[in-house]
Amino acid sequence: EAGVAQSPRYKIIEKRQSVAFWCNPISGHATLYWYQQILGQGPKLLIQFQNNGVVDDSQLPKDRFSAERLKGVDSTLKIQPAKLEDSAVYLCASSRGATQYFGPGTRLLVL
Amino acid sequence: GQQVMQIPQYQHVQEGEDFTTYCNSSTTLSNIQWYKQRPGGHPVFLIQLVKSGEVKKQKRLTFQFGEAKKNSSLHITATQTTDVGTYFCAENRDDKIIFGKGTRLHILP
Repeated sequence: EAGVAQSPRYKIIEKRQSVAFWCNPISGHATLYWYQQILGQGPKLLIQFQNNGVVDDSQLPKDRFSAERLKGVDSTLKIQPAKLEDSAVYLCASSRGATQYFGPGTRLLVL
Repeated sequence: GQQVMQIPQYQHVQEGEDFTTYCNSSTTLSNIQWYKQRPGGHPVFLIQLVKSGEVKKQKRLTFQFGEAKKNSSLHITATQTTDVGTYFCAENRDDKIIFGKGTRLHILP
């Protein structure tokens, strides 16, 4: 079974630029999550999708972050404009029960 | 929001020594999950405990859930270099995982 795929793996941008991340969950997993993991901390949930609907986006900074999962499979997370404090690893995960499976993450550096 | 607290934040042990990390909550947990994240890697699910006083073992790893369901521990016997990484406890609430800050384990050869 293929795991959660994410791209790109690394991204370096300047502040105020835009960036987008892509995630392809494990086939058949209805629930998809985006997390932000700042260095030295645990992952923080940004948004949770159930199929193509948003279940929880209470911790998503909506003035600059947006996410979509239009067809209930792949998802994109966008940051516009980026700030220095957005430097982190952005993890995508999917689940079909209690266990979440994480992708390799996208490491973002904002200069 | 409510977060589980983990101690210690860092732990250095000699290879072959035992290691324990603790997870505490001020409120009753519905369950506790443990994840391992290797340096540069992503979190990998290890186990979930649900019942009060539950103990589960995976080879050299022993997981415990407290009787009051407010604390949990992960104990590694005779650490190996492959045990290096950060160990997170987390609670699964309505399919949302709330992570602790993790304990970073470093093995001295």
